[in-house]
Amino acid sequence: QKEVEQDPGPLSVPEGAIVSLNCTYSNSAFQYFMWYRQYSRKGPELLMYTYSSGNKEDGRFTAQVDKSSKYISLFIRDSQPSDSATYLCAMRAGANNLFFGTGTRLTVIP
Amino acid sequence: DVKVTQSSRYLVKRTGEKVFLECVQDMDHENMFWYRQDPGLGLRLIYFSYDVKMKEKGDIPEGYSVSREKKERFSLILESASTNQTSMYLCASTVGAYNEQFFGPGTRLTVL
Repeated sequence: QKEVEQDPGPLSVPEGAIVSLNCTYSNSAFQYFMWYRQYSRKGPELLMYTYSSGNKEDGRFTAQVDKSSKYISLFIRDSQPSDSATYLCAMRAGANNLFFGTGTRLTVIP
Repeated sequence: DVKVTQSSRYLVKRTGEKVFLECVQDMDHENMFWYRQDPGLGLRLIYFSYDVKMKEKGDIPEGYSVSREKKERFSLILESASTNQTSMYLCASTVGAYNEQFFGPGTRLTVL
């Protein structure tokens, strides 16, 4: 079983839709949770970084962590064509290396 | 802004060639990482380094080696390239163990 599972998509939504991206994980020691966005032919860039359970909001983006279910989500409100990218979840347990999901490819259609 | 640069965006090599991929960061970060990214497999850690001249194996080190002679530079070496090493290679750096990793733009390597 993989440490981190992520639906690869692809996911297509109309402009303005609310997007929900999700990852599940198996290691209950994970405490630090991240979402990276990767545009085509570019390296990943950090979008959101949360510690332990709860919600974190930044503009149109909200990250949720449910440690009891081992489930994390990224919500994008009022999605824009510029949000079209691959979204990678990542997580770590303490000062250890990151475990990445395989990424979900999102297309927002104008 | 943190800048992580990689020596080539695209590279085509022949089977058996020795390949060098260079990564440079300009923020005095201690930690540097090399990943490869393949469809359906995500990012997999090849090697990382927490200090100059120090290296640690990641999840898939076979067929690779690394060099870190200066703090800002981390090189990935394919001793004898094979077709199954065709991939996107991403370098990352971070300061401290808990902070975000900053990624370079990637090198798409094709081995023929």
